[in-house]
Amino acid sequence: EAGVVQSPRYKIIEKKQPVAFWCNPISGHNTLYWYLQNLGQGPELLIRYENEEAVDDSQLPKDRFSAERLKGVDSTLKIQPAELGDSAVYLCASSRGIDKSTDTQYFGPGTRLTVL
Amino acid sequence: AQSVTQPDIHITVSEGASLELRCNYSYGATPYLFWYVQSPGQGLQLLLKYFSGDTLVQGIKGFEAEFKRSQSSFNLRKPSVHWSDAAEYFCAVGGGGTYKYIFGTGTRLKVLA
Repeated sequence: EAGVVQSPRYKIIEKKQPVAFWCNPISGHNTLYWYLQNLGQGPELLIRYENEEAVDDSQLPKDRFSAERLKGVDSTLKIQPAELGDSAVYLCASSRGIDKSTDTQYFGPGTRLTVL
Repeated sequence: AQSVTQPDIHITVSEGASLELRCNYSYGATPYLFWYVQSPGQGLQLLLKYFSGDTLVQGIKGFEAEFKRSQSSFNLRKPSVHWSDAAEYFCAVGGGGTYKYIFGTGTRLKVLA
């Protein structure tokens, strides 16, 4: 079974430029998560999708961040414009999303963003 | 407030020595507990998880963890560490009818040859 796929793995941009990250979850996983991981910290949830619906986006800075999961499979996270403080690792995870009591999240390799 | 504390930021052990990484949680509902490992430049890999039942759970790569409700702890152990175990380890808590995980700040493990 293929794992969670993310691209690109690394991205370097100038501040104020836009950037987009792509994630393809494990086949059959209904729930998709985007996390932000700052250096020396654990991941923090940005947004959670159940199929194509964003059911928890309370931590997403909506002035510059947006996300979509149009067909309920792969997803894109966008930042426009990027700021220096956005430099971090952006992790995507997925889970079956059927039973909260046993649901387990599986993570992709992440995209390391550097904003200059 | 819900939180996870990993008291040790860095731990150094010699190869072949035993290992214990500490994790304490504060959670209002029945906790589901996880340990993930992150190698440099990689994503998080699930080592083991606890939902219910036997409080001693076995995971991959020879790791185990013990859930102690009275101490609000879920410490990770390995009897003999290998050089390839050098990585960062994250404890996470979830459950209570929510899909949300709360992660600790991680413990970075260094293994001496």
